[in-house]
Amino acid sequence: EPEVTQTPSHQVTQMGQEVILRCVPISNHLYFYWYRQILGQKVEFLVSFYNNEISEKSEIFDDQFSVERPDGSNFTLKIRSTKLEDSAMYFCASSSGGTDTQYFGPGTRLTVL
Amino acid sequence: QKEVEQNSGPLSVPEGAIASLNCTYSDRGSQSFFWYRQYSGKSPELIMFIYSNGDKEDGRFTAQLNKASQYVSLLIRDSQPSDSATYLCAVMKGNFNKFYFGSGTKLNVKP
Repeated sequence: EPEVTQTPSHQVTQMGQEVILRCVPISNHLYFYWYRQILGQKVEFLVSFYNNEISEKSEIFDDQFSVERPDGSNFTLKIRSTKLEDSAMYFCASSSGGTDTQYFGPGTRLTVL
Repeated sequence: QKEVEQNSGPLSVPEGAIASLNCTYSDRGSQSFFWYRQYSGKSPELIMFIYSNGDKEDGRFTAQLNKASQYVSLLIRDSQPSDSATYLCAVMKGNFNKFYFGSGTKLNVKP
């Protein structure tokens, strides 16, 4: 069964460093998303991406964040200058249509020291 | 007001019992409603979705939607210890299915 994959599973970085989190969505899906979940808190929407552009973003997704689909398979989330409060689990999700179910990847745990 | 509200629990039920999980949402324009299960340290896993008022059954799971009351529920029949997890209610709004998640209800099924 197709699934969303994410790498790395765990990323440790120093405050102020840039990180890139990678995702490979399900191959025939057209809509891509990033969510984050701070430990013990709810899953929060960051951004949605369709047709090679951002379609929606939350107030969390500020200028420090960017997304890219550099090729036909990868979908990346870049955090330019990480802060301690960026420590969280980051989930990528994809869906086949505008109103369809989103399927989540296993997540990347980001730890900012 | 929170977009999606759930009782955090924990909800404890004995094995074989029916577990009832509830969720309310604030925006009447919400279009679709999803239940995900999340084990500790893992990603959300889809259980089922519902778009229309009424009940929708899938195996041991039944989702119920009442748009007039802005209320969604999930019933789990014949609960098993493996059902012990946090259950997330998600509500979709907008053209690009932006999900709003509730904080989740922790379910404990006791053997």
